Amino acid sequence: EPEVTQTPSHQVTQMGQEVILRCVPISNHLYFYWYRQILGQKVEFLVSFYNNEISEKSEIFDDQFSVERPDGSNFTLKIRSTKLEDSAMYFCASREGLAGPYEQYFGPGTRLTVT
Amino acid sequence: AQTVTQSQPEMSVQEAETVTLSCTYDTSESDYYLFWYKQPPSRQMILVIRQEAYKQQNATENRFSVNFQKAAKSFSLKISDSQLGDAAMYFCAYRCEETSGSRLTFGEGTQLTVNP
Repeated sequence: EPEVTQTPSHQVTQMGQEVILRCVPISNHLYFYWYRQILGQKVEFLVSFYNNEISEKSEIFDDQFSVERPDGSNFTLKIRSTKLEDSAMYFCASREGLAGPYEQYFGPGTRLTVT
Repeated sequence: AQTVTQSQPEMSVQEAETVTLSCTYDTSESDYYLFWYKQPPSRQMILVIRQEAYKQQNATENRFSVNFQKAAKSFSLKISDSQLGDAAMYFCAYRCEETSGSRLTFGEGTQLTVNP
């Protein structure tokens, strides 16, 4: 069964450094998402992406964040200058279609630790 | 703005027994979906069950079923014949079909413990 993959599984970085989290969505999916989950808290939406542009973003997704689909397979989340409060689990998800019963398939997540 | 509330931070159940996890939501939209996701210690998000708001019939997937009360904006998950592998964090989630990106909005989660 096709699945969403994410790399790395765990990233440790120093405050102020840039990080890029990578995701490979399911191949025929058209809609892509990033969510984050701070330890012990609920999963929060960051951004959705379709047709090479952002469809929707939350208030969390400020100028420090950016997303890109650099080629036909990868979908990346960049944090330009990490803060301690960016430490969280980051989940990528993809979806085949927009309206209707198409579900979002989640990747296994990348645990980001900012020291 | 849509909100999802899970009022039970923790629940426990004996193996083979039945447990019900509660979820309420608030929305002014008419076209939406509701979901229950399971998150085991690996932290992978696994879809358990889905309910379309326009369907009156409650969704069922094997031992998992929902009680969807649209007027009350309530969406509870019933797990029958609980198994040790059901132990996990369970998140209720809402998705509106009328927004451009169809984001998922999650509740705070309920940590389910299954006692042998």
